[in-house]
Amino acid sequence: NAGVTQTPKFQVLKTGQSMTLQCAQDMNHNSMYWYRQDPGMGLRLIYYSASEGTTDKGEVPNGYNVSRLNKREFSLRLESAAPSQTSVYFCASSEVSGGLEQYFGPGTRLTVT
Amino acid sequence: SQELEQSPQSLIVQEGKNLTINCTSSKTLYGLYWYKQKYGEGLIFLMMLQKGGEEKSHEKITAKLDEKKQQSSLHITASQPSHAGIYLCGAERVKFYFGTGTSLTVIP
Repeated sequence: NAGVTQTPKFQVLKTGQSMTLQCAQDMNHNSMYWYRQDPGMGLRLIYYSASEGTTDKGEVPNGYNVSRLNKREFSLRLESAAPSQTSVYFCASSEVSGGLEQYFGPGTRLTVT
Repeated sequence: SQELEQSPQSLIVQEGKNLTINCTSSKTLYGLYWYKQKYGEGLIFLMMLQKGGEEKSHEKITAKLDEKKQQSSLHITASQPSHAGIYLCGAERVKFYFGTGTSLTVIP
């Protein structure tokens, strides 16, 4: 089992460019999450998908869109990148939402210049 | 403001020393999770506490949720360099959220 995989590992964008961060899990989990991690701010939830076909906003959704492509895959899109979106992005999954541990991917380090 | 406050923000200890990390919430916690993050990597689940007064241990790491369910502590006994990393507490109330983390350095 690969667990949770994320691509790419690193990315540099110019302001205004768009890109999609990919996430996949092979644990047959129902729920998936996207977080960003910034110094002094901890880990903040951007969007989550409690089950296939549903997505909901987290704490910091502005500037992002998500797609739950199927049960395995949950992508995060930046339509027009801004320097404030420079961060480390983590994808996670859990068997169901609520009451269970989450499994995290290795992260994507994004720099927007 | 953060719903989950962790203290201290960073900690440097000598190998073999004991240490405690605290996580405090302004609201009742219905599930408190502890995760560890090695530098440059994703988070790894350590343990989950749900009942007031509950205490769980894994190897040399013990976590406890206080009776009022508004604070949790993580205690490491006889620290080792392998314990180094960032420790984050997490909780769930409709959505999942994390504390700001405690960075632990263990000096050999």
